Amino acid sequence: NAGVTQTPKFQVLKTGQSMTLQCAQDMNHEYMSWYRQDPGMGLRLIHYSVGAGITDQGEVPNGYNVSRSTTEDFPLRLLSAAPSQTSVYFCASSQALGQGGQPQHFGDGTRLSIL
Amino acid sequence: AQKITQTQPGMFVQEKEAVTLDCTYDTSDPSYGLFWYKQPSSGEMIFLIYQGSYDQQNATEGRYSLNFQKARKSANLVISASQLGDSAMYFCAMREGSGGFKTIFGAGTRLFVKA
Repeated sequence: NAGVTQTPKFQVLKTGQSMTLQCAQDMNHEYMSWYRQDPGMGLRLIHYSVGAGITDQGEVPNGYNVSRSTTEDFPLRLLSAAPSQTSVYFCASSQALGQGGQPQHFGDGTRLSIL
Repeated sequence: AQKITQTQPGMFVQEKEAVTLDCTYDTSDPSYGLFWYKQPSSGEMIFLIYQGSYDQQNATEGRYSLNFQKARKSANLVISASQLGDSAMYFCAMREGSGGFKTIFGAGTRLFVKA
């Protein structure tokens, strides 16, 4: 019962460094998304994907890049880390809309600090 | 544009009493879904309840019910018989249904249950 797995759980970066946050799900979900959670601002959508090879921007896409080469994996890349990207990042997945109100399954989050 | 608003940053409730957490939304899509999630201090996201825009009846799940007023664009969460374990952050979320998956969240309400 792995569900949605995010790695790493914690990371500290220096300004300007790049890195990739990994997200994998084993439920064969078509939809996957990345959120960032900052105090007082809830979860803000960064990028999302409706299937392999298809991605789209969310509310706060700048500074982040995604790709979806397989159904299982949806990595999030920080191109050049900035202190404003210090946050907790959540990956989520769900089944297709046609099956009703399918909720998102969330990973445990990645706590990222940019110095 | 899609928007979710939770106007109560924090709420207090006495144990065993009922509490209502407010959520208003805005969308031009006639097909959408509304979700409530709970985030305890441990950080995981827990799905509570779902309401579809075409559902005729208000959703209920155990002690949780959703007071859906479509004309007013509100989807308030009602927790009956509050328990100490209900102390957490609560997020309202909306997914637009027409061919999309994009799900956005409100800023959240922190609920404190007093013994």
